[in-house]
Amino acid sequence: QSALTQPPSASGSPGQSVTISCTGGGADVASYDFVSWYQQRPGEAPKLIIYEVIKRPSGVPARFSGSKSGGTASLTVSGLQAEDEADYYCASFVAGDYWVFGGGTTLTVL
Amino acid sequence: QLLESGGGLVQPGESLRLSCAASGFTFSHHWMYWVRQAPGKGLVWVARLNNDGSSTTYADFARGRFTISRDNSKNTLYLQMNSVRAEDSAVYFCARDMAHGLDVWGQGTTVTVSS
Repeated sequence: QSALTQPPSASGSPGQSVTISCTGGGADVASYDFVSWYQQRPGEAPKLIIYEVIKRPSGVPARFSGSKSGGTASLTVSGLQAEDEADYYCASFVAGDYWVFGGGTTLTVL
Repeated sequence: QLLESGGGLVQPGESLRLSCAASGFTFSHHWMYWVRQAPGKGLVWVARLNNDGSSTTYADFARGRFTISRDNSKNTLYLQMNSVRAEDSAVYFCARDMAHGLDVWGQGTTVTVSS
């Protein structure tokens, strides 16, 4: 149950797009379309922003989008806004009925 | 809404039971999870439980020491933590599963393991 690999940090200027990657092994991201993404602001609980790789819960802006290619999932934030500054975590179902999170990426809006 | 309770200061080797009270949705329809976050660290999956309580899975560090359970008549999820260690110190969140995404989270309860 090794953690998924995310870059520790990412940044962009307001209005720009930023993509955060999430890489797993063969038993998780590559094998299942059960990747989800979470936004967590300091002192708050995580918030679901993407599930099943590409789906957005109601109320999540369309600026947030997800994708997957092989063993790497990605979260793209388009039209960056100051309020997007937060920690972002990916998660995936894992063969054997487990779950695993990524190590997290701190997104800074310059 | 989910509301955790039961956290606190506990000595190494002791036990603690966390609770998560659910409201505003049909609790018995959803798989439920526990996720923890050590201070300044990332999210870590702890355990998950199916909607009727008959199927559980655990992270390696939790298997054999922690037990996830639920009482659907009380709309409550539990995490029994035995033989706790310093590295179990964290904020523990309960969360509701929706199509393999955790869409409702509690605010967390803090567990501190220290002598």
